[in-house]
Amino acid sequence: QKEVEQNSGPLSVPEGAIASLNCTYSDRGSQSFFWYRQYSGKSPELIMFIYSNGDKEDGRFTAQLNKASQYVSLLIRDSQPSDSATYLCAVKVTNAGKSTFGDGTTLTVKP
Amino acid sequence: SAVISQKPSRDICQRGTSLTIQCQVDSQVTMMFWYRQQPGQSLTLIATANQGSEATYESGFVIDKFPISRPNLTFSTLTVSNMSPEDSSIYLCSLVTEGSGSYEQYFGPGTRLTVT
Repeated sequence: QKEVEQNSGPLSVPEGAIASLNCTYSDRGSQSFFWYRQYSGKSPELIMFIYSNGDKEDGRFTAQLNKASQYVSLLIRDSQPSDSATYLCAVKVTNAGKSTFGDGTTLTVKP
Repeated sequence: SAVISQKPSRDICQRGTSLTIQCQVDSQVTMMFWYRQQPGQSLTLIATANQGSEATYESGFVIDKFPISRPNLTFSTLTVSNMSPEDSSIYLCSLVTEGSGSYEQYFGPGTRLTVT
């Protein structure tokens, strides 16, 4: 079992819909959770992070943690074609440790 | 925010040779990170480079293959030694700034390496 797993997709949603991306992790002691967006041919950029104590909303993006089921979600409301990218999930077991990345989910938002 | 530049942006190298990748940051940072991203795959951390001390390598990566220098707080190099086609990948440097309740991570534009 991989430490961090994501559905590779592609996930396709119409413009204006909610895109829901999920990531499961194996280490129950994980403390920090990150979502990165990576456009084709570009470097990843960090868009959201949460600690184990709660969810976070930032504009159209919401990161939610379900500790009991060991998964973290990224919701993108009012999806735009510019949201089309690969979304990488990463998890840190300790705040000082390294991040382990999932393989990413490719999202396509169709106009 | 931070601005990170890398050189070269891409290179095609012959097996058995070595390539040194440079990473320049526009601010002083204690730790810099080197990642590899193979085609269609996710990011794998190679090592953490601290200024003034030896780099810390992750499992599966060794100093003889990936020597790292960190001469000051704004610059680092990663050398890919004795290259084989399996080393074909994108190599990225990165930095993290973390404070109370805040976390920021920035990546360089990457170096696309092809080994023939």
